Amino acid sequence: GNSVTQMEGPVTLSEEAFLTINCTYTATGYPSLFWYVQYPGEGLQLLLKATKADDKGSNKGFEATYRKETTSFHLEKGSVQVSDSAVYFCALSLYSGYSTLTFGKGTMLLVSP
Amino acid sequence: DAGVIQSPRHEVTEMGQEVTLRCKPISGHDYLFWYRQTMMRGLELLIYFNNNVPIDDSGMPEDRFSAKMPNASFSTLKIQPSEPRDSAVYFCASSPARQVNQPQHFGDGTRLSIL
Repeated sequence: GNSVTQMEGPVTLSEEAFLTINCTYTATGYPSLFWYVQYPGEGLQLLLKATKADDKGSNKGFEATYRKETTSFHLEKGSVQVSDSAVYFCALSLYSGYSTLTFGKGTMLLVSP
Repeated sequence: DAGVIQSPRHEVTEMGQEVTLRCKPISGHDYLFWYRQTMMRGLELLIYFNNNVPIDDSGMPEDRFSAKMPNASFSTLKIQPSEPRDSAVYFCASSPARQVNQPQHFGDGTRLSIL
């Protein structure tokens, strides 16, 4: 079946530190990959996406590259801010007539000033 | 544009009571999803609809849970009778089309506490 594995959190960083959140996937086919972010008390919001191998998704300083060879989609940011504190979810979607998402368990990021 | 609207935002009730959660998807979206989020199990897909028709309800935990979508602008998730283990945040999401790279748009959720 399809699955997404994320590194466990929380990830605690100081402001302006470099961020990496690892994500690997298993899929029967060629999925599209997503990162969603959930701020406290809110629903999930799409952060970025990549639809084919070697694509790089980017948004708000975050980046992730679709690596088919390593079945990975790691999230990175060069300099985190306190406002980036949230839970980050990696997800995949495989179109098989209907489109649903398979989510990882989420990784909490805590950024201190 | 209005996003996905869920109501109520918070619900506290005693076990055994009926609970109804409501969702208004984004206008024009073909898909509607119901999720449950807990610390232990993470984010779970309960059921989803396409053009108001339930497609997959295999995630619905038991017969106490039911979901309906009587029209394109409204869906309900009902729990009857409710139990303390149903306490969770329930999210509704919608997406615009039958394409794999279309994102889902989430509501802010209903935080449900069953005492």
